[in-house]
Amino acid sequence: GAVVSQHPSRVICKSGTSVKIECRSLDFQATTMFWYRQFPKQSLMLMATSNEGSKATYEQGVEKDKFLINHASLTLSTLTVTSAHPEDSSFYICSARVTKQAFFGQGTRLTVV
Amino acid sequence: KQEVTQIPAALSVPEGENLVLNCSFTDSAIYNLQWFRQDPGKGLTSLLLIQSSQREQTSGRLNASLDKSSGRSTLYIAASQPGDSATYLCAPATSYDKVIFGPGTSLSVIP
Repeated sequence: GAVVSQHPSRVICKSGTSVKIECRSLDFQATTMFWYRQFPKQSLMLMATSNEGSKATYEQGVEKDKFLINHASLTLSTLTVTSAHPEDSSFYICSARVTKQAFFGQGTRLTVV
Repeated sequence: KQEVTQIPAALSVPEGENLVLNCSFTDSAIYNLQWFRQDPGKGLTSLLLIQSSQREQTSGRLNASLDKSSGRSTLYIAASQPGDSATYLCAPATSYDKVIFGPGTSLSVIP
C-alpha cells in the first residue's frame, strides 16, 4: 500500500514555542491530506483538510490561527502548532487518500511542558 | 454530519474466543469503511477495507461485514489471541471524502 511518513514521532517543547509536524506521501501525490488529533483515551478527531496550493479547511471548533497548515507541494503537508500550551499536548496524525483508501502516518506525540 | 458509535466500548475475553465488534454510522452515503487497529501510544494499522458496494471482506482470522443501508458494520475476530489486544476503530469514509472515526472498542484477550 501507499506510504505516508510523519515526522517527528515525538516532540517535547516549552510552553509558548511553536512546533512543526511534517506529513509526506512517499510514493504517491496527494492533493488532499487530513490532520487528526487524539486526546488520551479518546478517538481521533478530524482537525482540518489540507489542500495543495490553497487554504486548509478547518473543522468547527479548531483554531486556524493556532494550528497552521501548509500544503505547498503534492507530497508534503505541515501542521504548525503555534504558541503551544500544555493543553495542546496530544497525538497528532495525518492521512492521505489513494483511490478512496486512507493511509495514515505514524503519528506525532506532542508534549508541551 | 456523520456520527459513528461502537459497541462495546471495552471487551475482555479469554484466549480462543470468537468475538464481534459492532459499529453504527448515521450517514449511509459512504464510499467505503475501514477497520483499524491501534496499539497503546502507537499509530494506526489498517485491518480491512470494505467498499460501499461490498458486503464483507476477510483477512486471516478477521472478517468485516457492511450493511450500508442500515448503517452498520461488524468486525468478527476468530480464535482470539493475546496479541489481538488493542483498540479497534471503525472509520467510514463520508461523501465529503473524509474518514470519520468511531470511539473505538478496547479489546483485551487474556491468556
